Amino acid sequence: AQKITQTQPGMFVQEKEAVTLDCTYDTSDQSYGLFWYKQPSSGEMIFLIYQGSYDEQNATEGRYSLNFQKARKSANLVISASQLGDSAMYFCAMREGYNNNDMRFGAGTRLTVKP
Amino acid sequence: EAGVAQSPRYKIIEKRQSVAFWCNPISGHATLYWYQQILGQGPKLLIQFQNNGVVDDSQLPKDRFSAERLKGVDSTLKIQPAKLEDSAVYLCASSPDSSFSYNEQFFGPGTRLTVL
Repeated sequence: AQKITQTQPGMFVQEKEAVTLDCTYDTSDQSYGLFWYKQPSSGEMIFLIYQGSYDEQNATEGRYSLNFQKARKSANLVISASQLGDSAMYFCAMREGYNNNDMRFGAGTRLTVKP
Repeated sequence: EAGVAQSPRYKIIEKRQSVAFWCNPISGHATLYWYQQILGQGPKLLIQFQNNGVVDDSQLPKDRFSAERLKGVDSTLKIQPAKLEDSAVYLCASSPDSSFSYNEQFFGPGTRLTVL
C-alpha cells in the first residue's frame, strides 16, 4: 500500500505568491514523523521542515509551514512569498514509530516559480 | 560542518559490468543510509547501517547489490553485475541517531548511474 501520496506531479506559482503542495499519508502507528525535502536540479535532498504526530501546533520554518491535519492524514507544505530559487522537486516523507528507521518518500511534486 | 560526501558524481557503464559508489557521512553520525532514486520517483531505501552493523537491508537486491561500512564511518555500495534497470541516482544519507522519528537525514549530492 502506498504510504505517502503526492497527487500533484507539477505545480506553477507566480513569484511572491504562496503555494500549497499536497501530501497525504497512511499509517496505523500513533507515533510518526513527517518530513518535507527539496531536491533542486543539482540532486541533493535538502531538509525543509518536520512535523511530529504528537505536535499540536503546525510546524513553521521561515517561509515554510506545514498544514498538519491529523484526522485527514494530510501534511501539506505551504511556501509563502515564492522565490525563483524555490523551483525544484519537493518530496514528502514519513517515518513511523520510535525505532523504525524506514523513511518512505512520496513521488514528489515539481514546483516551477514563474517571474 | 562538512556535509555528506559521495563519489563519483556520475558513472556510465555497460550492463553486466560492476560498479562501486563511495560515501563519507557527516562526522559523528552513527546512522548511514543508501537510497536508490529512479527518475520520476522518490528515493527508496536500499540499506541502513547503525555504526558498522546492518539495521535494514530488506529492499536490497542481494543477488547483485552489496554494501559495507567498515569501521562505522564511510561506506561503499557495489552492483555486480549491473542491469539496465539499475540506472538511477544513488543517494547516501546520514543522521546522528536513528532512535527517534524526528531525526532528519542529511543527504549527499548523489551518484547518477547510467547503465547502457
